[in-house]
Amino acid sequence: AQKVTQAQTEISVVEKEDVTLDCVYETRDTTYYLFWYKQPPSGELVFLIRRNSFDEQNEISGRYSWNFQKSTSSFNFTITASQVVDSAVYFCALSEVYQGAQKLVFGQGTRLTINP
Amino acid sequence: GAVVSQHPSRVICKSGTSVKIECRSLDFQATTMFWYRQFPKQSLMLMATSNEGSKATYEQGVEKDKFLINHASLTLSTLTVTSAHPEDSSFYICSARKWIPGTSEETQYFGPGTRLLVL
Repeated sequence: AQKVTQAQTEISVVEKEDVTLDCVYETRDTTYYLFWYKQPPSGELVFLIRRNSFDEQNEISGRYSWNFQKSTSSFNFTITASQVVDSAVYFCALSEVYQGAQKLVFGQGTRLTINP
Repeated sequence: GAVVSQHPSRVICKSGTSVKIECRSLDFQATTMFWYRQFPKQSLMLMATSNEGSKATYEQGVEKDKFLINHASLTLSTLTVTSAHPEDSSFYICSARKWIPGTSEETQYFGPGTRLLVL
C-alpha cells in the first residue's frame, strides 16, 4: 500500500527563519505524483505544487522551494524567510491509481507556527 | 483558475435530520469529485469518489446509505448525511479533479469545507 509520512507533527519558528518540512513516501508505482497542500486556520486546502515521478528537478516559487529526491523517496518543502502568514498545516500527498482513478493519499500533516 | 465552492460553510442540525452539502467547480468541469472527512488535528480521510452520471465509489467502512452522493452535472456533486447523529459531526471537504490539457496529469482542487455539528 502507498504511504506518506510527515514525521514532524508540529514546528514552531520565529519569523524570518528558514524552515523545512519533511515528506517521505512509499509506493510500488513507477509513475506517480506528489503534492503539497496548505491548510490555513480557515480550513480550505490550498494547492501549492504537483510533481510527477519523472521530474526530479527542484522547484522554486518565491520563498517556497521543493526538493524531490527519488533515491530517498522524499519530497521536502522549504520556506525561506518565513512569515506569520505561513502559519498553517501543510500536507504532503501521493497520488495512486486505483481501479482506473487517481486518489490522493495524505500524510498526517505538519502544523507550522511562525511567531512574530 | 480552479475554484471549488462548498455550501453551506457551517451547519448545525438536530439529531435525526438530514443535511445536504453542495460542492461546485466554478470555472472548470469535473467528471470526478471527491468527498473527505477531517477530524480535529487529523489528516483527511477519503470517504468516496463521486463520478458524474454514475454511482459513487465508497471507501471501505463508509456507509453508502448514510452518506448519499449525487453527481448530477459536470460542476456539481452533493453529499447528503442522512439521519445525522452527533458522531457525524465533522469537517467535510470536497475536491474536484482537473485535468491538465494535453496530458494525463491531474490535480485535485479543494473546496473551503463544511463544518457540521449535530446536536
